Amino acid sequence: DAGVIQSPRHEVTEMGQEVTLRCKPISGHDYLFWYRQTMMRGLELLIYFNNNVPIDDSGMPEDRFSAKMPNASFSTLKIQPSEPRDSAVYFCASSGGGPHEQFFGPGTRLTVL
Amino acid sequence: AQSVSQHNHHVILSEAASLELGCNYSYGGTVNLFWYVQYPGQHLQLLLKYFSGDPLVKGIKGFEAEFIKSKFSFNLRKPSVQWSDTAEYFCAVNAGTGRRALTFGSGTRLQVQP
Repeated sequence: DAGVIQSPRHEVTEMGQEVTLRCKPISGHDYLFWYRQTMMRGLELLIYFNNNVPIDDSGMPEDRFSAKMPNASFSTLKIQPSEPRDSAVYFCASSGGGPHEQFFGPGTRLTVL
Repeated sequence: AQSVSQHNHHVILSEAASLELGCNYSYGGTVNLFWYVQYPGQHLQLLLKYFSGDPLVKGIKGFEAEFIKSKFSFNLRKPSVQWSDTAEYFCAVNAGTGRRALTFGSGTRLQVQP
């Protein structure tokens, strides 16, 4: 199994630009999570999906952030427009329907200049 | 709302020393508890988990944790650390009510000196 796949691994962009982060969960997993990791706030949940439906988006910072899951094997997290304070590592994780264990991807390190 | 406290932010040990990292959570109901490890530059990996049953759980790489319900604690232990255990350790919890998202502690950075 390839595990959770995220792309790109690194993204450097300028303030105001649109950023799209991508995630492919582990095949057969029906839960998908987006987390953000910063020095100041640690690891925090942004949003999670079950069977492609958003369940809890209370962690999405503001309207500049949006997430979609058009099918069971793909999700995107979009930031438009990006700001320097969005600089962080964004992790995607997936989980199967049984145990609550989550499997994390390698993360995308985003730098907004 | 759930919260997780990790009181040790940075721990420095010599090889072969024993390790105990504290984790306390706030939630009165059934919980699922996890310890994840993040090696430098890598993604989070599961060390161990507790769902129910024996409160002493064993994980990978010689780690274990004990769930003490009365203390709302889930401390991580290892009898003898190695230099390769240098990493950041995160305690996480989710309420066993069906909500799937994890609430993480702030992490403990462990540095093992050879």
